[in-house]
This record gives sequence, C-alpha cells and structure tokens, in this order.
Amino acid sequence: GNSVTQMEGPVTLSEEAFLTINCTYTATGYPSLFWYVQYPGEGLQLLLKATKADDKGSNKGFEATYRKETTSFHLEKGSVQVSDSAVYFCALHGSGNTGKLIFGQGTTLQVKP
Amino acid sequence: SQTIHQWPATLVQPVGSPLSLECTVEGTSNPNLYWYRQAAGRGLQLLFYSVGIGQISSEVPQNLSASRPQDRQFILSSKKLLLSDSGFYLCASRQEGQETQYFGPGTRLLVL
Repeated sequence: GNSVTQMEGPVTLSEEAFLTINCTYTATGYPSLFWYVQYPGEGLQLLLKATKADDKGSNKGFEATYRKETTSFHLEKGSVQVSDSAVYFCALHGSGNTGKLIFGQGTTLQVKP
Repeated sequence: SQTIHQWPATLVQPVGSPLSLECTVEGTSNPNLYWYRQAAGRGLQLLFYSVGIGQISSEVPQNLSASRPQDRQFILSSKKLLLSDSGFYLCASRQEGQETQYFGPGTRLLVL
C-alpha cells in the first residue's frame, strides 16, 4: 500500500544554516505530494505541494522537487530562521476519490539563534 | 478560502466521561471532512472521514465515533473516555475535486 517515510528528528540547526528534510514514498501511480508545517500548539498548514513528476513546489523560501526516479520529495531551505522551528510533515494523496492523505511521521526542526 | 473552526481548544476530562468535539467549516459547500488524532510525539492518524451528511467511514476500530449532522459540521464523540484517548485532535476539510486538505487549529484532550 501507499506509505511515506521521513527522516527521523529532531533536527537542530543554527540560524542561516541549510536545511534538508528527507521524504520518500511508496505509491501506485503518481500521487500528488505535500509538505505541511505545524507550529507549536497549532494545527497543520499547507507549506507547498507538487502534483506531477519534476514539479517543484515552493513557499516561504522552502522548496521540494517531485522526483519520480527516486520516489522522493525532500524539503530544502537555503537559510533557516528561528521562526522556522516547527514539525514538518510529508504527505501523499491516496488513491481513489476520498481525498485521504497519507502522512509521514513528522520531523521536528529546532533552529537556534 | 476555507476556514475550519474547532472547539474547545483544550479539554481535560476524567476517565469514563463522555466527549463531544465539534468542527465547523466556512467558505465551502459539500466538503469532505476528516478527523485526525496526533498522540504526543507521534504522527497523524486518520480516524474518520465523511463525504456527505450522515456518511461516516471509520479508519481504525476504537472507542470513538463521528457524526455529520449538517453539511459543514463534523462531530467527534465518545460515550466513555479512556486514558489512551488523550491527544491532539485535528479536523480537516477538502473541497470536492481538489486534493489539498485544510486543517483547523485542533483540540488538545487530556484524559485523567
């Protein structure tokens, strides 16, 4: 069945460091892929998405490219800020028309000044 | 755009007591609605989803139930809470024909 695997956290970086959070998936077909972010004490917010192979989603300085050949959707940011500290979830849109999302386990990012 | 409201924001309940969490959606009609639970330090588990009024699908067997009495209202309930029901409950909405889900602010439930 469909599944999403994220790198384990927590990830601790200094401000202005380069960020990569790995995400790989298993799925039939070519599902849409998403990154959601959860700030402390809040619900999830859509960060970016990509709907087909080689698409690049981007938002707030974050980027992720849909790589069909490696079944990956790694999240990157060139220079992180303290305000980026949050939990990041990778997800894919499951098959069928129910709209169910399959989430990875989440990766906690902590950015220190 | 859609706005998802959840209440209460925080709830502390004794074991064995009933539960009712409410989710309402604005800015869309006939949405697909979802209840997720996030246990401490863990990922998201889909509990229920609904494609229309009175239509509920359960993803995992558990102590909880869901109902959709109106198009934009989704309720999560329990007759008797267990300690293991503690967690952060998130409601999400998806507009028909789109893939993106939008999430509410969540309800933090602590069962003592």
